[in-house]
Amino acid sequence: AQKVTQAQTEISVVEKEDVTLDCVYETRDTTYYLFWYKQPPSGELVFLIRRNSFDEQNEISGRYSWNFQKSTSSFNFTITASQVVDSAVYFCALRGNTGGFKTIFGAGTRLFVKA
Amino acid sequence: GAVVSQHPSRVICKSGTSVKIECRSLDFQATTMFWYRQFPKQSLMLMATSNEGSKATYEQGVEKDKFLINHASLTLSTLTVTSAHPEDSSFYICSAREGGPGNTIYFGEGSWLTVV
Repeated sequence: AQKVTQAQTEISVVEKEDVTLDCVYETRDTTYYLFWYKQPPSGELVFLIRRNSFDEQNEISGRYSWNFQKSTSSFNFTITASQVVDSAVYFCALRGNTGGFKTIFGAGTRLFVKA
Repeated sequence: GAVVSQHPSRVICKSGTSVKIECRSLDFQATTMFWYRQFPKQSLMLMATSNEGSKATYEQGVEKDKFLINHASLTLSTLTVTSAHPEDSSFYICSAREGGPGNTIYFGEGSWLTVV
């Protein structure tokens, strides 16, 4: 079975602080894909990143960075120097190559960035 | 990134009536589209997967006769909630994928359905 766990329900930080959102996944697939999406209060889901299981290279994009570690089945997301506009719900998602390639979402982490 | 558009963004309907939500991929051909449902402060729950030109595959527990999904073209899928009841009130989100299963899926803006 596939599962995505985002243990942090809510995180509150002050602007300019760094914050890391945790994501732990479970899958028996040898090939799978991991995603992060942002859902601001307006509701739409914004795609942030996709990572393939065979590519453990970490990535930095502006203030965002992702740490993918297969050994611990984790795909954590760090926002550096957080801003108020980063306030949203962040979802980690997993898609494996079995089970019809369904995308399974974690419960989400609600991030509050206070000015 | 690719653009997926949903319409309407908000709809209020009376109990017992049907309502249709459209999902369009604007700048790519969506071979596969997905419909999700999201309750307040909860995660996304996959309702069904539809491939262009074929019948949708519904997740366990989702009533296919109540949630009719049509994917008649490579750019349009529709979700029709039939005989809507207040418990069907929710946020419905579609997503679309171009090409193979490893490709990224992009989401529409979502549709808020309120059944009164």
